[in-house]
Amino acid sequence: DGGITQSPKYLFRKEGQNVTLSCEQNLNHDAMYWYRQDPGQGLRLIYYSQIVNDFQKGDIAEGYSVSREKKESFPLTVTSAQKNPTAFYLCASTGRGRVAGGTDTQYFGPGTRLTVL
Amino acid sequence: AQSVTQLDSHVSVSEGTPVLLRCNYSSSYSPSLFWYVQHPNKGLQLLLKYTSAATLVKGINGFEAEFKKSETSFHLTKPSAHMSDAAEYFCVVSGYSSASKIIFGSGTRLSIRP
Repeated sequence: DGGITQSPKYLFRKEGQNVTLSCEQNLNHDAMYWYRQDPGQGLRLIYYSQIVNDFQKGDIAEGYSVSREKKESFPLTVTSAQKNPTAFYLCASTGRGRVAGGTDTQYFGPGTRLTVL
Repeated sequence: AQSVTQLDSHVSVSEGTPVLLRCNYSSSYSPSLFWYVQHPNKGLQLLLKYTSAATLVKGINGFEAEFKKSETSFHLTKPSAHMSDAAEYFCVVSGYSSASKIIFGSGTRLSIRP
């Protein structure tokens, strides 16, 4: 089955620690995205990548970092610089990158809930 | 510039009655519009999308939405609510330009009364 997987489902972090959230897709999609969702709010874009070895900051990139070394993988690192990291994190992908123009449906992973202790 | 506004943060209906979730958008380009559903602690699932074809779009689980350019609206409807429809719903707008962003509404929580 094609889809997006995120791991772990739940993640606990002590203050001052960096943690990395995994996102893998086998849809052969070019573009991948990371969103943060807080209770009662919509999704806010952290980072996105239109193609391998390229990524762009979204609206709330401070305190986060990403890499895109492989087409199918787009890991997100939450650094100690992120002041309020407790949230639900969603990864998504689309078939065509924004560079190619046009829009495409976003497919979402099941999410990772990060809690800072 | 693009934006999307979901007019109700919470909607409550009785099982078997119609559902209406309202969404207004603003876009400089001919937009693509989507509705997603999110159940608790889950990812988002696509319900339906509009991409300049038919203005009445049918989605999964009996939902449909009508694109009304004159009203800049894309409201989501269902004739008869089911208990399993209780979830958070997001309206999303995206333009047809490589420079345009994907914008999410703030969400509408749908509750179903028995």
